[in-house]
Amino acid sequence: GAVVSQHPSRVICKSGTSVKIECRSLDFQATTMFWYRQFPKKSLMLMATSNEGSKATYEQGVEKDKFLINHASLTLSTLTVTSAHPEDSSFYICSARDAKGYGYTFGSGTRLTVV
Amino acid sequence: AQKITQTQPGMFVQEKEAVTLDCTYDTSDQSYGLFWYKQPSSGEMIFLIYQGSYDEQNATEGRYSLNFQKARKSANLVISASQLGDSAMYFCAMREGSGSARQLTFGSGTQLTVLP
Repeated sequence: GAVVSQHPSRVICKSGTSVKIECRSLDFQATTMFWYRQFPKKSLMLMATSNEGSKATYEQGVEKDKFLINHASLTLSTLTVTSAHPEDSSFYICSARDAKGYGYTFGSGTRLTVV
Repeated sequence: AQKITQTQPGMFVQEKEAVTLDCTYDTSDQSYGLFWYKQPSSGEMIFLIYQGSYDEQNATEGRYSLNFQKARKSANLVISASQLGDSAMYFCAMREGSGSARQLTFGSGTQLTVLP
């Protein structure tokens, strides 16, 4: 079945540094990638939607200059948390769809801790 | 208004018993899809079952079934013969409309604990 590989699974970084999270679709073309954020024991909140080759669409309240999303190819999308602060600590997870729109394939998530 | 409502923050069930997790939704679209996911403590999202708005039959996948009541806008998940490994967070989600760029909107989740 469809697989999305998300790396890293865990990362600890210092305040002020940037962190890049990658999501790769291994056996299908991810025309659309969704990026979610999840706080402990809470729901998944959509941060942005990206389509291959175009700029991401951010949800209200999400800082696009802080959470940079790149979807340069049909198999790779990245989320870069710039100038990270402790309040950015969270679980980030991506979800991909192909052009046919069959189902949503989730990555395994990235647990970010900013110290 | 909340698009997906899960009113049970936590549920307990005895091993081998059946359990129903509630989900109600709100949409004005005629075409929509309803999903249930399981999220263990590891964080991965495991797809369980899908129901399309035009599907006349309730969806079933092994021990999982979806009790779809369109008029009441409810899509409850029924897990039969609960197992200890079923202990996890369960999310109901909805896709409104059609097309590959439609996102999923999630409910607040239900933490299920299966007791031995």
